[in-house]
Amino acid sequence: GQNIDQPTEMTATEGAIVQINCTYQTSGFNGLFWYQQHAGEAPTFLSYNVLDGLEEKGRFSSFLSRSKGYSYLLLKELQMKDSASYLCAVMDSNYQLIWGAGTKLIIKP
Amino acid sequence: GAVVSQHPSRVICKSGTSVKIECRSLDFQATTMFWYRQFPKQSLMLMATSNEGSKATYEQGVEKDKFLINHASLTLSTLTVTSAHPEDSSFYICSARVGQRETQYFGPGTRLLVL
Repeated sequence: GQNIDQPTEMTATEGAIVQINCTYQTSGFNGLFWYQQHAGEAPTFLSYNVLDGLEEKGRFSSFLSRSKGYSYLLLKELQMKDSASYLCAVMDSNYQLIWGAGTKLIIKP
Repeated sequence: GAVVSQHPSRVICKSGTSVKIECRSLDFQATTMFWYRQFPKQSLMLMATSNEGSKATYEQGVEKDKFLINHASLTLSTLTVTSAHPEDSSFYICSARVGQRETQYFGPGTRLLVL
């Protein structure tokens, strides 16, 4: 079966760095996406990785290792507004997105 | 770019009535649109995938006669919840993408409350 695993909840301190991991087992791979979802709102696109390595975009970076079926989202200089759920999703061989359950990130002052 | 709108943002209706939700891609042509449902504190659940000009593909457990999807153009898809009941109350979110390998961009969602 297809499976995406990410931690249910994480807590971090304002100004710090946090890494949210995602491991996957899917039938085929056509890229991995990270989305941010604030409570009561729709998800917004953060990043896309299809090749191994690190993609940096401002305070957010996303890493992919296809051989390990592993990705992480790195958030630096955390701000209170980063409190949200972070969703990992993998596009399988049929170009369908397989969604993780999301990681709720709590930022404390 | 990649803006998706949804209308209405919030709707309250009586049990037994039908509700139509519109999803529009504003600055791109969406070959595929997706409809999701999300209950409070739960994960996104894909309801159906619709390609312009063809019938929607529904996920297992989603009643196609209850959730009617029309994707009449490359910029518009509609979801109609027919004979809505209180258990249909949820957050309905659409997304759209240009091509198979492309990113899905989400609309802001529609919060449905059935009394």
